Amino acid sequence: DIQMTQSPSSLSASVGDRVTITCRASQSFSSYFNWYQQKPGKAPKLLIYGVSSLQSGVPSRFSGSRSGTDFILTISSLQPEDFATYYCQQNFRDPWTFGQGTKVEV
Amino acid sequence: EVQLVESGGGLEQPGRSLRLSCTISGFIFGDYAMTWVRQAPGKGLEWVGFIKSKSYGGTTEYAASVKGRFIISRDDSKNIAYLQMNSLKAEDTAVYYCSRVLSSSYVIDYWGQGTLVTVSS
Repeated sequence: DIQMTQSPSSLSASVGDRVTITCRASQSFSSYFNWYQQKPGKAPKLLIYGVSSLQSGVPSRFSGSRSGTDFILTISSLQPEDFATYYCQQNFRDPWTFGQGTKVEV
Repeated sequence: EVQLVESGGGLEQPGRSLRLSCTISGFIFGDYAMTWVRQAPGKGLEWVGFIKSKSYGGTTEYAASVKGRFIISRDDSKNIAYLQMNSLKAEDTAVYYCSRVLSSSYVIDYWGQGTLVTVSS
């Protein structure tokens, strides 16, 4: 199975901060990698797919990139509505696996 | 508008069975794969399994933790996906999300609101 190690598990930030979340894969692959946002009591929402493609309707302050086996989610200027938990996910190979999540708090 | 609505959750005893349904609207069900993802209370997301669209063979794949106990099926005439859960265990307690999957890229792009399954005696 491909393990996804997400870091940090939580972070404290302020409105306007630049935030980066990293997910390291246990195996190398170039695509089939996605980021989701989940707010308390709600279903996850797709933010980024295929490493760096922005899902329709998602603000451009969200971006995704890859460096080797590290996948990075960047929020360029944190907004109040961005406080949530973020999950990475690979759909390169079964079983699809998620990172442990990163909670972004005030 | 794309909508996915799960139903069938509730309290069930260990060893018993439960069937979840996912009724969709707002898109052509037969064009998409469907997946189930669960989330234990206070925990992260865990992929359960998926079913491809009929045009891609309609085959299924499962996580090791549920393989042999859970079955995913679909009825394209009714726009419903199912998750049959047998031999339930306490560790199956979770919110179960039904989600739409793009058949070409296998991206999970829309999620239902989830239904809670509690396995306890």
